[in-house]
Amino acid sequence: GQQLNQSPQSMFIQEGEDVSMNCTSSSIFNTWLWYKQDPGEGPVLLIALYKAGELTSNGRLTAQFGITRKDSFLNISASIPSDVGIYFCAGQGTDKLIFGTGTRLQVFP
Amino acid sequence: NAGVTQTPKFQVLKTGQSMTLQCAQDMNHEYMSWYRQDPGMGLRLIHYSVGAGITDQGEVPNGYNVSRSTTEDFPLRLLSAAPSQTSVYFCASSFDHYYEQYFGPGTRLTVT
Repeated sequence: GQQLNQSPQSMFIQEGEDVSMNCTSSSIFNTWLWYKQDPGEGPVLLIALYKAGELTSNGRLTAQFGITRKDSFLNISASIPSDVGIYFCAGQGTDKLIFGTGTRLQVFP
Repeated sequence: NAGVTQTPKFQVLKTGQSMTLQCAQDMNHEYMSWYRQDPGMGLRLIHYSVGAGITDQGEVPNGYNVSRSTTEDFPLRLLSAAPSQTSVYFCASSFDHYYEQYFGPGTRLTVT
């Protein structure tokens, strides 16, 4: 089946630093989504990308839909303590959403 | 607008018991789905539905049944619980499968 490789698996950064994470796939996707999950909660949608090459921002978050449609990137600028959590990428195929394994982000003051 | 709601929040079952995890949404979404989340595995699709009366299998459907009699509700049934079904279960919904999905708060299930 389709698989998404998400990296890095975890990140430990200092408050104020920028963060980058990415997702790659062996298959083409029509839509890329980025979610954040806080402990004990369901994933919350951060950014949705619908077109190859699209670059979209949501506050300090910026995400890009790769030109090949097989990858996507998420950047967080000037990290703050509440950015802590697990970030998931998800690719929308024919009729299903496929999730990456997540990037666990820790932010130290 | 409550969004996606799930009950119960926590459940402990003995091996062989059956139970139903409830999911409801009040956004008039056609597409609903169930995922399980295990450590290091991300979210894996169990079953999904593109509308009332229509369901289909996802990546890990064995041991689970679903039905969709109304647009609002999409219950997940475990017919005979097994320890391998210990997991956190999330329900999600969207306008259709092309759009972003919204998740419920999850049900943490332990099977002993």
